[in-house]
Amino acid sequence: AQSVTQPDIHITVSEGASLELRCNYSYGATPYLFWYVQSPGQGLQLLLKYFSGDTLVQGIKGFEAEFKRSQSSFNLRKPSVHWSDAAEYFCAVGAQGSYIPTFGRGTSLIVHP
Amino acid sequence: GAVVSQHPSWVICKSGTSVKIECRSLDFQATTMFWYRQFPKQSLMLMATSNEGSKATYEQGVEKDKFLINHASLTLSTLTVTSAHPEDSSFYICSAIGQKSGTEAFFGQGTRLTVV
Repeated sequence: AQSVTQPDIHITVSEGASLELRCNYSYGATPYLFWYVQSPGQGLQLLLKYFSGDTLVQGIKGFEAEFKRSQSSFNLRKPSVHWSDAAEYFCAVGAQGSYIPTFGRGTSLIVHP
Repeated sequence: GAVVSQHPSWVICKSGTSVKIECRSLDFQATTMFWYRQFPKQSLMLMATSNEGSKATYEQGVEKDKFLINHASLTLSTLTVTSAHPEDSSFYICSAIGQKSGTEAFFGQGTRLTVV
């Protein structure tokens, strides 16, 4: 069975600072990997996904993530955080061909002015 | 991307009553829809998978008689919480896939259910 670990429950950064949110997964084969963002009281919006190919994936809103098979990681990064990035971020892993990813517990991003 | 809409966005109901939540795919035909439940500050837990025209497949531990799912058309799935109790209060989110969505499931904005 697949699983996802997001070790940080909360992350606090200053506006303009760089950001890295950690995600580690467990899956026996090459996984599908996703990062979603959820604003308060809202549904999920897909930031980016990795299926195959280039291990550095570019997403929306200036986010990127790097798939590192040797570390079973898919960390999300952004070079300069904006106040509007404050939200809950979920990493998810899915089997190839599956539309039902397993979600991590989420990391809450707090942005200080 | 494809658009999935849920209605209502929030609902308050009395204990013992039933409430229906709708999930619509607005610009594509959704062959499969998924219903999730999210507790405060927690992740999404898959409740059930519904395919158009067939019975929903429920995850282990989800009461199918309490959470009735109907996927009567390619653009609409409904989740009915029957005889709701305060412990059913939660955030319910649907997602949908179809030919237009490709390899990605699109999520609705969620419905906040509060049972008083």
